Amino acid sequence: AQKITQTQPGMFVQEKEAVTLDCTYDTSDQSYGLFWYKQPSSGEMIFLIYQGSYDEQNATEGRYSLNFQKARKSANLVISASQLGDSAMYFCAMREGAAGGTSYGKLTFGQGTILTVHP
Amino acid sequence: NAGVTQTPKFQVLKTGQSMTLQCAQDMNHNSMYWYRQDPGMGLRLIYYSASEGTTDKGEVPNGYNVSRLNKREFSLRLESAAPSQTSVYFCASRVTRMGVTEAFFGQGTRLTVV
Repeated sequence: AQKITQTQPGMFVQEKEAVTLDCTYDTSDQSYGLFWYKQPSSGEMIFLIYQGSYDEQNATEGRYSLNFQKARKSANLVISASQLGDSAMYFCAMREGAAGGTSYGKLTFGQGTILTVHP
Repeated sequence: NAGVTQTPKFQVLKTGQSMTLQCAQDMNHNSMYWYRQDPGMGLRLIYYSASEGTTDKGEVPNGYNVSRLNKREFSLRLESAAPSQTSVYFCASRVTRMGVTEAFFGQGTRLTVV
């Protein structure tokens, strides 16, 4: 079974509009962390935002917010006011176990969503 | 502050050749990782090192070895390259501070095995 599922291979959004990239996860751990990364065409991986499983509030970082719905096991990324520079591949990832525990090395990634922002 | 530095950026190997991918971070992070990225597969963990002197297998360790030389450096070695190892390789380091975990990636190494 997939641990991280990104069901949208590609998404399109108009500049200045908001867009939601979907991510669902599967874990039996009570403590885990969820990440979103951006990979532009240049190839580097850029960390965007992090949500811990015990965090009560949704994480926000500038124009990025993470819509964390624990019961549904979803961690969607919301990008507000899209910009042309947001066009990239976006990866959702999960770390199972507590941050300081022995499993904290295993970061599992989804297959990614290609976002294209139209002017 | 360079962050995570990977070398080389590009490499072409013949089947059976060996090579070492170098990775260094200057952020004093304990945890370092090697991933490979293949089309349609996302990133998969090859090996990781929770701290200096320790290494553990990830999801796809076969055909690779690693060495955590010191806190800064974590190298990935292909002893006998195979075409199936053609991929983009990413080194990463991670830190958790005040409950927030941040991860940083190198720029990637595009490896082709012919």
